[in-house]
Amino acid sequence: TQLLEQSPQFLSIQEGENLTVYCNSSSVFSSLQWYRQEPGEGPVLLVTVVTGGEVKKLKRLTFQFGDARKDSSLHITAAQTGDTGLYLCAGAGSGGGADGLTFGKGTHLIIQP
Amino acid sequence: KAGVTQTPRYLIKTRGQQVTLSCSPISGHRSVSWYQQTPGQGLQFLFEYFSETQRNKGNFPGRFSGRQFSNSRSEMNVSTLELGDSALYLCASSTRQGSGANVLTFGAGSRLTVL
Repeated sequence: TQLLEQSPQFLSIQEGENLTVYCNSSSVFSSLQWYRQEPGEGPVLLVTVVTGGEVKKLKRLTFQFGDARKDSSLHITAAQTGDTGLYLCAGAGSGGGADGLTFGKGTHLIIQP
Repeated sequence: KAGVTQTPRYLIKTRGQQVTLSCSPISGHRSVSWYQQTPGQGLQFLFEYFSETQRNKGNFPGRFSGRQFSNSRSEMNVSTLELGDSALYLCASSTRQGSGANVLTFGAGSRLTVL
């Protein structure tokens, strides 16, 4: 069974600060996705990383896929209150995700004004 | 274009009852996946349907079932409800089979409370 561990589980910081959340596993994933979920809504896809060592940027968000494709990180620069939400990482197994995505339990992020 | 629509958004049932949840995917999307989200377990894969066929199933008991219609709309059914079935049930659609690197678009979910 593939597991994804996300840390920290909860994070509350002031607007303007930087932060990094982590997604770790002992398993190799063919690809990894990051989602953000707001209360009362479903998760919204932010990015998909496929290649080991890949770095993708989405405005103030930087996503990195580990060289061994077992871990990933999300770095937010100069956090804003609109970044508040539940951040989820999800990995697709060697079958290309045919058996569904494996989700981490998420990082609850609160950005205080 | 319209997103993924799930109905009902909220419902309350009692133990032993059954429930049917509906999902209308984005037009043109033929794959529909279902996930259960709880605070303790996070999101867990239930099953995926593609072209009216169940392609894969997660580790859930047989009380959880689903189907997909020719217009790609999907329903999931939970029979003999238990307290532990209380959760947010999320449906996601995509153009291709398998989650992989596909773009999954989630609906807002159906929140089920079992009393």
